[in-house]
Amino acid sequence: DTAVSQTPKYLVTQMGNDKSIKCEQNLGHDTMYWYKQDSKKFLKIMFSYNNKELIINETVPNRFSPKSPDKAHLNLHINSLELGDSAVYFCASSQTDRGETQYFGPGTRLLVL
Amino acid sequence: RKEVEQDPGPFNVPEGATVAFNCTYSNSASQSFFWYRQDCRKEPKLLMSVYSSGNEDGRFTAQLNRASQYISLLIRDSKLSDSATYLCVVTLQTGANNLFFGTGTRLTVIP
Repeated sequence: DTAVSQTPKYLVTQMGNDKSIKCEQNLGHDTMYWYKQDSKKFLKIMFSYNNKELIINETVPNRFSPKSPDKAHLNLHINSLELGDSAVYFCASSQTDRGETQYFGPGTRLLVL
Repeated sequence: RKEVEQDPGPFNVPEGATVAFNCTYSNSASQSFFWYRQDCRKEPKLLMSVYSSGNEDGRFTAQLNRASQYISLLIRDSKLSDSATYLCVVTLQTGANNLFFGTGTRLTVIP
């Protein structure tokens, strides 16, 4: 009965590769997010989608492309991976985009070699 | 300058102790405030919202000082299970969903 799930949990890959991380929520929420937590544990929002529409797009390289096929899913595709992309990526969801509690997925640990 | 600043710690306290964390925010227009908890290698989870008049939830008390732009979290009678990183979080508008996280304060409660 996992509320927000992400796959894969761990991802180790070479520089230059393209990879995707998937996120699904079964809470019936309208809004989903991607966050990046770097090696210094700083958690920063990357994107937010509300009902499949992009509403927040922070300064993120355009190698990162989110896709929301429906409001229960928000996937993150990363092209031409770089060493600096190594981090933990968290997906989250909230009931709406009006500031309610955000529920986080377990995170995807990405290591780029 | 980061939106939210916290002392990273670590704070090592014995069981039963009272411990307090502070956090400061840079934007005076910040409207909503929260404390999240993150266990080692886990995801962040909401601990409590912070209201202007201060609020309490069991052993946890949160306070907001808008004039000085800081938020505090007080934990009384610390338990081993309180060991975690505590993240201070603000939004710039009431009801906005763009959360700005501090880097967290790490707490270890020692038997």
